[in-house]
Amino acid sequence: EDKVVQSPLSLVVHEGDTVTLNCSYEVTNFRSLLWYKQEKKAPTFLFMLTSSGIEKKSGRLSSILDKKELFSILNITATQTGDSAVYLCAALTQGGSEKLVFGKGTKLTVNP
Amino acid sequence: NAGVMQNPRHLVRRRGQEARLRCSPMKGHSHVYWYRQLPEEGLKFMVYLQKENIIDESGMPKERFSAEFPKEGPSILRIQQVVRGDSAAYFCASSPGLSVEQYFGPGTRLTVT
Repeated sequence: EDKVVQSPLSLVVHEGDTVTLNCSYEVTNFRSLLWYKQEKKAPTFLFMLTSSGIEKKSGRLSSILDKKELFSILNITATQTGDSAVYLCAALTQGGSEKLVFGKGTKLTVNP
Repeated sequence: NAGVMQNPRHLVRRRGQEARLRCSPMKGHSHVYWYRQLPEEGLKFMVYLQKENIIDESGMPKERFSAEFPKEGPSILRIQQVVRGDSAAYFCASSPGLSVEQYFGPGTRLTVT
C-alpha cells in the first residue's frame, strides 16, 4: 500500500527560528513529490519536485528531494507568525492514473 | 483567473438524505480530482475524472458514492443515503494536464446529523 509519512506531526517555534519538515514515501509508480500549505481552507501549492538533488526555492522556503532514500525536506528560514499552518507532503503517482497520496501533515505554530 | 470553486462551502444533511457537492475547475483545466479529509486524518484520494470520463475511482466507497464531470457544467460528487461516517471535508482539485501540480478548492464541509 502506498504510504507517505511526515515528521514531526507538530512543531512549535519562535519567530526567527529555522525549521525543517520531513517527508518519507513508499509509493509505487512514483512521479513527483509536492508540498502544500494548509491554513483554514484550501491547500495552497508550494513546490513540486521531480528530480533528485535539485533544490527549489521561494523566498524563505526551500525544498529538496532524494529519490534514492525516498524522502524530501521543506526548510523555512526566519519563520514568521504567518507561516503557522499545516504543511502537507504528497506523492504524485503516474501510469494510467494520477493521484496524490498525502501524509498527515506537520502542524507548525510560530509564536511571536 | 479564478481558482477552483466549490459549493456549497458547508452542507448539513440528516442521515438517509442525499448530498451533492459541486466543483468548477480552474479555467483551462480538464482534469478533476476529489479528496476526502476525515478529522485527524490526511487527505485521501477518491476519484479522478476528465470530461465525461471516470479515469480512476479506486478510492471511492463501492456503494452510495458516485461522481461525474459532464461535458458542460461542474463536476458533481454525489453521496446517497448519507451516514454519520460521511461527515468530512471534501476537496476538489484540478490540473491542466498530466504530471503537473493540482490546485485545490476551498472544500465542502459535510455534516451528517
